[in-house]
Amino acid sequence: DGGITQSPKYLFRKEGQNVTLSCEQNLNHDAMYWYRQDPGQGLRLIYYSQIVNDFQKGDIAEGYSVSREKKESFPLTVTSAQKNPTAFYLCASSIDREYNSPLHFGNGTRLTVT
Amino acid sequence: ELKVEQNPLFLSMQEGKNYTIYCNYSTTSDRLYWYRQDPGKSLESLFVLLSNGAVKQEGRLMASLDTKARLSTLHITAAVHDLSATYFCAVDIVNPGTASKLTFGTGTRLQVTL
Repeated sequence: DGGITQSPKYLFRKEGQNVTLSCEQNLNHDAMYWYRQDPGQGLRLIYYSQIVNDFQKGDIAEGYSVSREKKESFPLTVTSAQKNPTAFYLCASSIDREYNSPLHFGNGTRLTVT
Repeated sequence: ELKVEQNPLFLSMQEGKNYTIYCNYSTTSDRLYWYRQDPGKSLESLFVLLSNGAVKQEGRLMASLDTKARLSTLHITAAVHDLSATYFCAVDIVNPGTASKLTFGTGTRLQVTL
């Protein structure tokens, strides 16, 4: 079955360490996204990528970095510059907006930084 | 800057009752999505609304879109406990040639009591 796989499900890190969250999709989707969700809030866009080797900043990109070397993969690095990194991180993908398709989401990674 | 507001933020309702969740947005758009999220889980796509007057129904849920009023509604008919979840609306701003960039509302947490 096609889908989006995020790993790990839970991640614990010490303050000051960089950490990379994995996102892999086998849906053959062109676009991929990273969202952050804080308790009781909606999702906020961190980065998105429309094609391989290209990505754009979202609304809250500071303290994060991404790469898109392969169509299937869109890892997110949370750097030590991110002031409040503890959150639920969701990766998503979509075919292409021309098809008016909704975003498909992975199961998320819950990051806790102490 | 696009703003998406949902109300109510929290809704407690009895089984069998009807209720409506509202989603207002601040900028012209003709693409609106509804998602469901269970606690600690990912987001599941419910409806895609693509034009003024669009109405979609699935089971006890019905969504509509009024682009002139910049308003979407999610109507719940004869609620059952299984509908307990958080519901998000998300609005897409159309920029030709670019990937979708959804802006999410803050969510409505629905609790259906027996």
